[in-house]
Amino acid sequence: DTGVSQDPRHKITKRGQNVTFRCDPISEHNRLYWYRQTLGQGPEFLTYFQNEAQLEKSRLLSDRFSAERPKGSFSTLEIQRTEQGDSAMYLCASSTGQGNSPLHFGNGTRLTVT
Amino acid sequence: AQSVTQPDIHITVSEGASLELRCNYSYGATPYLFWYVQSPGQGLQLLLKYFSGDTLVQGIKGFEAEFKRSQSSFNLRKPSVHWSDAAEYFCAVGAESGGSNYKLTFGKGTLLTVNP
Repeated sequence: DTGVSQDPRHKITKRGQNVTFRCDPISEHNRLYWYRQTLGQGPEFLTYFQNEAQLEKSRLLSDRFSAERPKGSFSTLEIQRTEQGDSAMYLCASSTGQGNSPLHFGNGTRLTVT
Repeated sequence: AQSVTQPDIHITVSEGASLELRCNYSYGATPYLFWYVQSPGQGLQLLLKYFSGDTLVQGIKGFEAEFKRSQSSFNLRKPSVHWSDAAEYFCAVGAESGGSNYKLTFGKGTLLTVNP
């Protein structure tokens, strides 16, 4: 069990640029979640996958955001035309899919939009 | 919709003192409840969880929490705090989202400072 891995740890980008983050879940976990955490707040749900199927998206996930999990393993979160308000920590979590299994979080990707 | 309130933004305790962090939730059905801890610049680590059964739940690092349905609370406790417990603590409620899936709704967190 190597834990949930996220890459990069930090990303600084200029407003208007596109960015992509990657998440590698724990290997036997078929559920994968994306959360966003801004300074002084708790994490907020963005979206989640059951295997390769994206089952729910939050209203926070505007049309500039897209998430994929093409083979049911790793996932990517892309933000197009970044805005300063996108600056946040983006957290990925995974779980086994059993009804009462907890979410295991990665260390996150810290995005700064200048 | 579910929600979580952590009334205390910041708590300071002395090392060796007891600790209680408050959490109140709002959810129409039987909730799944969690406490996570986050050190600066890090992800969240699960301390403990409640799904059903015994309302007093034991977790890692000597933490425990008690589910009180009548008060809609799930307070976190530790009898003797160590300096390494300084971190931010998040309470979360899990709401069903299709079948047996669930998603977490978090509180805003309580920052714990430990004085030597």
